[in-house]
Amino acid sequence: NAGVTQTPKFQVLKTGQSMTLQCAQDMNHEYMSWYRQDPGMGLRLIHYSVGAGITDQGEVPNGYNVSRSTTEDFPLRLLSAAPSQTSVYFCASSPTGASYEQYFGPGTRLTVT
Amino acid sequence: DQQVKQNSPSLSVQEGRISILNCDYTNSMFDYFLWYKKYPAEGPTFLISISSIKDKNEDGRFTVFLNKSAKHLSLHIVPSQPGDSAVYFCAASGLSFGNEKLTFGTGTRLTIIP
Repeated sequence: NAGVTQTPKFQVLKTGQSMTLQCAQDMNHEYMSWYRQDPGMGLRLIHYSVGAGITDQGEVPNGYNVSRSTTEDFPLRLLSAAPSQTSVYFCASSPTGASYEQYFGPGTRLTVT
Repeated sequence: DQQVKQNSPSLSVQEGRISILNCDYTNSMFDYFLWYKKYPAEGPTFLISISSIKDKNEDGRFTVFLNKSAKHLSLHIVPSQPGDSAVYFCAASGLSFGNEKLTFGTGTRLTIIP
């Protein structure tokens, strides 16, 4: 099992550009989530999904879109990048929900100039 | 409004001694708590959890204590080893009002001194 994979590992964007951060898991987990980690802020939930076709907002959803067309994939789209979105992004999955052990990907470091 | 707080950004402990990491929460609806460990350039990994119906949970060298009346939990690592040097995040969720959202603290960087 590859676990949770994220691509790319690093990305630099200009303000206003759009892009998609990819996340995939091969553990057949129903629950998937996206977090961002900023200095002094811990990890903050952006969006989550409890199964294919079902998504909902977390704590900091503005500027991001998600979709879940398959169990395996949960891409995160930045619609119009802003410097405030400079962060490290982590995708995670778990069998049943946030309160159980979540498996995190290695992260994507995004810089918006 | 930080609902889960880790007031010590960093902690240094001698190898072999006990490491105690603290976490406070403000939302009384939280009823499940977890600790995650994170090495640089890696994603967090799950360490240990505790339900609010318990006040202690052990797993090898790691023990988590929960004091519901004080809204406080702590992670004890005994004995501390160099490989324990990492950032530790506590996190909380409310099973009683759904299982979808996890709120993290800001993390404590633990350094084990050989």
